[in-house]
Amino acid sequence: SQQGEEDPQALSIQEGENATMNCSYKTSINNLQWYRQNSGRGLVHLILIRSNEREKHSGRLRVTLDTSKKSSSLLITASRAADTASYFCAIGERGNTGKLIFGQGTTLQVKP
Amino acid sequence: DTGVSQNPRHKITKRGQNVTFRCDPISEHNRLYWYRQTLGQGPEFLTYFQNEAQLEKSRLLSDRFSAERPKGSFSTLEIQRTEQGDSAMYLCASSADRAKLFFGSGTQLSVL
Repeated sequence: SQQGEEDPQALSIQEGENATMNCSYKTSINNLQWYRQNSGRGLVHLILIRSNEREKHSGRLRVTLDTSKKSSSLLITASRAADTASYFCAIGERGNTGKLIFGQGTTLQVKP
Repeated sequence: DTGVSQNPRHKITKRGQNVTFRCDPISEHNRLYWYRQTLGQGPEFLTYFQNEAQLEKSRLLSDRFSAERPKGSFSTLEIQRTEQGDSAMYLCASSADRAKLFFGSGTQLSVL
């Protein structure tokens, strides 16, 4: 079964707007990661946040983690048409085998 | 290019046939993961290797599925007596640090 639940399932915005995706999970985590997938391709790692971190930035990406609420959010600022893709959160469970449990994803469409 | 390589990219087979996929990880990565992804869903964990040892198998991996990683380098995933429900994208990923995963482009399997 999948660990992460993502919200919304689909998001459509105009270029230049910000996009926010949320992820909730159930168990204790070692880390939480976000990946991007273009249609028919493999996943690309975007950002990792550890369980003892609350916020992390990478370029136009901002990730927050609230372990008390077991939730995370990914913010993409000043979106571009090239950001159109599916975005997945992935839970690195305690025990740190390196195995990730993925959510069902958010499909983002950025209209030019 | 030294990324994760998967072959073939596409495989069409008839129900009941056996199929084998290959994954070549990034050379210095000791961990290798197999995931399965169906349309509109996130990747589901199947199994992972640390070097040549298969350390964990998902309950999703029925007796018809077998994976190997001889010599801790490339890996193969074989599906025997394929069923239509096996149709999916099979993704391979590798990792050096039990954190960030590097994914291949996947093998799309269609069982007719």
